[in-house]
Amino acid sequence: GQQLNQSPQSMFIQEGEDVSMNCTSSSIFNTWLWYKQDPGEGPVLLIALYKAGELTSNGRLTAQFGITRKDSFLNISASIPSDVGIYFCAGLPTLQTGANNLFFGTGTRLTVIP
Amino acid sequence: EADIYQTPRYLVIGTGKKITLECSQTMGHDKMYWYQQDPGMELHLIHYSYGVNSTEKGDLSSESTVSRIRTEHFPLTLESARPSHTSQYLCASSEFGRGPHREQFFGPGTRLTVL
Repeated sequence: GQQLNQSPQSMFIQEGEDVSMNCTSSSIFNTWLWYKQDPGEGPVLLIALYKAGELTSNGRLTAQFGITRKDSFLNISASIPSDVGIYFCAGLPTLQTGANNLFFGTGTRLTVIP
Repeated sequence: EADIYQTPRYLVIGTGKKITLECSQTMGHDKMYWYQQDPGMELHLIHYSYGVNSTEKGDLSSESTVSRIRTEHFPLTLESARPSHTSQYLCASSEFGRGPHREQFFGPGTRLTVL
């Protein structure tokens, strides 16, 4: 199935720094989701976006639905050690055919150095 | 509180054994999914279901099978486990429809090791 291009693949940052990651697709999407997965656990939904240009925050996390509808961004401000994990984007294409399942990005592995 | 449960969380088993991984959700979701994920890697959809008596194969071919006899229950079975089946298996559920609210909610996963 279609994969979303997620970057960067991994990040090593100092505690307190801000983090940015993004996800792009070749198709227009009408839903963008961001998940975080802790080691040995299932992904947990962080933010859901439904409209182009939408900017939504969840604590120190802010995500945006790109104007082109082909991308989304996640920012984490003032990172802390518990931000460590893998962040996945996921989306739903506007042109819905077949099973209409979510497409998932390949993940961004975040390491926060205390 | 609505949630999605998976048991067992960890399973170590010998080659050739039959295993069933359990998944249950209390959210009343019609659609359920099974993903296979190697540690730190991407998610691969192996099975999904639209509702009771519906099962479909996902994007990644898998030797496992699934059943959906009740809305809340979506077990995955391996008839004869092999070392190549060693992985993490994640169950998820979502609403079923054509609208944009298609968020999937994941269980904690089952870490399977086949010796």
